[in-house]
Amino acid sequence: DIQISQSPSSLSASVGDRVTITCRASHGITIYLAWFQQKPGKAPRCLIYGASSLESGVPSRFSGSGYGTDFTLTISSLQPEDFATYYCQQYISYPITFGQGTRLDI
Amino acid sequence: QVQLVQSGAEVKKPGASMKVSCKASGFTFTGFYIQWFRQAPGQGLQWMGWFNPNDGGTNYAQKFQGRVTMTGETSITTAYMELDSLRSDDTAVYYCASGGAVNYWGQGTLVTVSS
Repeated sequence: DIQISQSPSSLSASVGDRVTITCRASHGITIYLAWFQQKPGKAPRCLIYGASSLESGVPSRFSGSGYGTDFTLTISSLQPEDFATYYCQQYISYPITFGQGTRLDI
Repeated sequence: QVQLVQSGAEVKKPGASMKVSCKASGFTFTGFYIQWFRQAPGQGLQWMGWFNPNDGGTNYAQKFQGRVTMTGETSITTAYMELDSLRSDDTAVYYCASGGAVNYWGQGTLVTVSS
């Protein structure tokens, strides 16, 4: 199985801040990495797929980068609605696996 | 637009079975696998397996082998996930998902297992 290590596990930030979350895969996954946002009581919402492709309807302040084993999600200027938990997911091989999540708090 | 609409919340007794449905619309049902995940309270996301609507094929996570069955009806673009011999630690929100990047998700179905 491909293990995904996500950091930090939690993060406190303010509106307007630039935030970066990282994921590291135990094996190379080329660009088969997606980023999800999840709010309490809601389903995960895909923000980024293919490591850097923005999902339709997602604000451009979200961006992703990386290749192989190291990946980054950046939120350029935090908005109030961005406070949530973020997960990365690899989908190059089964079982599909996720990072442990990053809780982003005010 | 792409939608995956799941069946409603359920409460089950230990030892019983559950069956969640996932109605797909807005994309070609046979074009992508239907994946199933679950999320226990306060926990992360866990992959359970996939169903191939094109040929009925399946692939289950080892943890659920022998207890899970994934099926579908292409005529009504609906997939199903059945889990048997329920235990209290099966209490979770169950999600279906699809798309080339597993980027389309259902709203989730809470299943509570309690005596």
